[in-house]
Formats: sequence, C-alpha cells, structure tokens
Amino acid sequence: DIQMTQSPSSLSTSVGDRVTITCRASQSISGYLNWYQQKPGKAPKLLIYAASTLQSGVPSRFSGSGYGTYFTLTISSLRPEDFATYYCQQNYNTPHTFGQGTKLEIK
Amino acid sequence: QVHLVQSGAEVKKPGASVKVSCKVSGHTLTKLSIHWVRQAPGKGLEWLGGFDPEEGEIIYAQKFQGRITMTEDTSTDTAYMELSSLRSEDTAVYYCATQTVPYGDYRWLDLWGQGTLVTVSS
Repeated sequence: DIQMTQSPSSLSTSVGDRVTITCRASQSISGYLNWYQQKPGKAPKLLIYAASTLQSGVPSRFSGSGYGTYFTLTISSLRPEDFATYYCQQNYNTPHTFGQGTKLEIK
Repeated sequence: QVHLVQSGAEVKKPGASVKVSCKVSGHTLTKLSIHWVRQAPGKGLEWLGGFDPEEGEIIYAQKFQGRITMTEDTSTDTAYMELSSLRSEDTAVYYCATQTVPYGDYRWLDLWGQGTLVTVSS
C-alpha cells in the first residue's frame, strides 16, 4: 500500500496567515492526489483534485501543487471558517490511502 | 441535485455483522462509482473500497478482504456496505461517497453521505 504522510500533524495559526501543508507519498503517484477539508461532525469536503485543480465553489485562497511524491496545500490568507482538519488522498492505485490529517487550530 | 442519504446509527455486539445503506437521489446509481470511507472516533479517514470503472468491479482494501461486502440495488438506487465479524476497533462513522463528474482515470470523492455511526460494544 502507498503510505501518505502529512506534516505538520497540527498547526496553531491566526486569521490572515499564509499556511502550507505538505503531503508525501511513499512512492510516485504522478498527479493523482486530492485534498479534503473536514470540520467536526461533518463529512469531508473536496477542495482540490488532480493535485492542483480547484473544485468548483472552493475559494481561490486554496491552492495545490506537486507531482510525484511531494505535494502541498496552501491557504493564502486564513479565514475563521478555514480552521478544520485537512487530509490528502492518493488515487494512483488501490487502496486509495489518506494522510493522517493536519489540524489547523486558532492561535 | 444529487444527494447520498445513509441509514441510521447502529449498535452491534462483537462478532455480529452490520449493513449500512446509501440511497442515491437526483441521479442513477449505475452512473456513479460508490466508495466507502470510515473514521474511528478522533482518528483519520480510512478508505474501505469502491467501484473501479476501469476494472468494472468493486475493489476492497486488502485489510478488509473476507469481512466486507459492497453491493448495489439498481432498482432502488441504493448501495450497501456490509461488515462482518465486528470488533471494537470497527466502531466508527462510515461514509459513502462518490465522484459526480468523471475525469479520465482520476478519482476523487466530491459528494458524501451524512455518515452512519456504527458502535461495536458488548
């Protein structure tokens, strides 16, 4: 199975900050990488697919980049509603493994 | 508008089985690839399996092989996930999810059900 490792596991940050979350794959997954946002008690929400394509309706302050084994999710200027947990997921092959998550907390 | 509506919470004893349903509304089940993801309390997301349109069959995560069965009833546009030989570690919220817009061989989950809490306890 492909292992997905996110860093950091948690981040204390403030409204207006620029935040970057990284996701590393244990082997090359080309651009087969998705990012999700999850808030407590809610289902995950797709933010980015194919490593860098913004899902319809997702604010442009979210962006994704990367290829192969190294990927990043960047939030250019944090808003209060962005404090949540973020997950990467590879869909290069099955099982479509998720990273362990990165929790953004208010400083 | 497409929705996935899941069945209600379940409490099961160790060794029992659970069957969770996921009804599609606003679309046809045969045109969607349903996947199942679970989340144990306070933990991350875990992919259980789903329909692979390229393979033309349901693919299960190896970890659950022999214990999990995913089926579909096209007459009612309802997908099912059954997990057997339940143990306490299977306590989790189980989600069905799908990709509403195909894009080559890229796969993502842009529509999710509300989740079903399955509690395994003696």
